[in-house]
Amino acid sequence: DIQMTQSPSSLSASVGDRVTITCRASQGISNFLAWFQHKAGKAPKSLIHTASSLQSGVPSRFNGSGSGTDFTLTISSLQPEDFATYYCQQYNSYPLTFGQGTKVEMK
Amino acid sequence: EVQLVESGGGLVQPGGSLRLSCVVSGFTLSDHYMDWVRQAPGRGLEWVSRTRNKAHSFTTEYAASVKGRFTISREDSKNSLYLQMNSLKTEDTAVYYCARVYCGGDCISDYWGQGTLVTVSS
Repeated sequence: DIQMTQSPSSLSASVGDRVTITCRASQGISNFLAWFQHKAGKAPKSLIHTASSLQSGVPSRFNGSGSGTDFTLTISSLQPEDFATYYCQQYNSYPLTFGQGTKVEMK
Repeated sequence: EVQLVESGGGLVQPGGSLRLSCVVSGFTLSDHYMDWVRQAPGRGLEWVSRTRNKAHSFTTEYAASVKGRFTISREDSKNSLYLQMNSLKTEDTAVYYCARVYCGGDCISDYWGQGTLVTVSS
C-alpha cells in the first residue's frame, strides 16, 4: 500500500496568513493526488485533483503543486471559512489512501 | 444540485450486520463510480470501497480491512448505493460517507454526503 504522510499534523494561523501543507507519498504516484477540506459534522469537500487542478467553485487562494512523491497545498491568504482539516489522497493505485490530516486552527 | 444522503447507521453488537444506504440526486448515478469512505472517532479519513459503473461491469474494490466482510452494491434505477457490513468489529465504528466519483481522465471523489454513524459495541 502507498503511505501518505502529511506535515504538519496541525498548525495555528491568523486570517490573512499564507499556509503551506505538505504531503509525501511512500512511492511515486505521478500527479494522481487530490486535496480535501473537512469540517466537523460536514461533508468533506474536494479542493484539488491531479495535484494542481482546482475543482470548480474553489477559490483561487488554494493552490496545489508537486508530482512524484512530494506535494504541497498552499492557501495564499487564509480566510475565516478555511479553518478546517485538510487531507491529501493518492489515487494512483488501490487501496486509495489518505494522509493523516492537517488541522488548521485559529491562532 | 448534487446531493448524497446516507442512512442506515446505528448501534450494533460485534459480529452483527448493518446495511448502509446512500440516495443520490442531481446527477445520473449510472454514469458514475461511487465510493464509501469512513472516519473513526478521532481519526482521519479511510477509503473503504469503490464500485464502478455498468460500462465497467460494476466491478468493485475494497480496503484490506473490510474485504470479505463488506459488500458494496448499487441500484441505479433507485438512485441508490449500498454497503452491506457483516461480521462487524469494534474498529468498524466510524462515520461512513458515500462519495460520487467523477472520471474525466482520472477518477476522483468530487461530491460527498454528510455521513451516517455506525457504532459497534456490546
